[in-house]
Amino acid sequence: EAGVAQSPRYKIIEKRQSVAFWCNPISGHATLYWYQQILGQGPKLLIQFQNNGVVDDSQLPKDRFSAERLKGVDSTLKIQPAKLEDSAVYLCASSRWRNEQFFGPGTRLTVL
Amino acid sequence: DQQVKQNSPSLSVQEGRISILNCDYTNSMFDYFLWYKKYPAEGPTFLISISSIKDKNEDGRFTVFLNKSAKHLSLHIVPSQPGDSAVYFCAGDAGNMLTFGGGTRLMVKP
Repeated sequence: EAGVAQSPRYKIIEKRQSVAFWCNPISGHATLYWYQQILGQGPKLLIQFQNNGVVDDSQLPKDRFSAERLKGVDSTLKIQPAKLEDSAVYLCASSRWRNEQFFGPGTRLTVL
Repeated sequence: DQQVKQNSPSLSVQEGRISILNCDYTNSMFDYFLWYKKYPAEGPTFLISISSIKDKNEDGRFTVFLNKSAKHLSLHIVPSQPGDSAVYFCAGDAGNMLTFGGGTRLMVKP
């Protein structure tokens, strides 16, 4: 079974620029999550999708972050405009049922 | 407000000995607790979980203990192996949403 795929793996941008990350979950997984992991901290949930509907986005900074999951499969997370404090690893995870969240390798974002 | 805390940022043990990683939580709504392991440049991988109605769960070399009255859980690895060197995160699950601790870096020396 193929794992969660994410791209790009690394991204360097300047502040105020825009950036987008892509995630392809494990086939058949209805639930998809985006996490932000700042260096030295644990992952923090940004948004959770069930199929193509949003379950929770209470920790998503909606003034600059947006996410969508078209057709209940792939998902994109966008930041516009980026700030220095957005430098982090962005992790995508998917699950079929509770507790079994499978994580992708992450995208490391550096904002200069 | 840190709902899940791992107070030891790092731990070093000798190969073959026991590793004990600790985690404290404050949210009484957590009904599952999970441990994830993370290698550099990879995403976290699920290791072991425990329901809040249990006090122990064992899987091979890994055992998780839960003390609900103290709001404390621990992961025991016996015997520790060099390949266990990684960052370990505990997480609490409330309604299928995970809250992670800050992680503990385990180093197992040969």
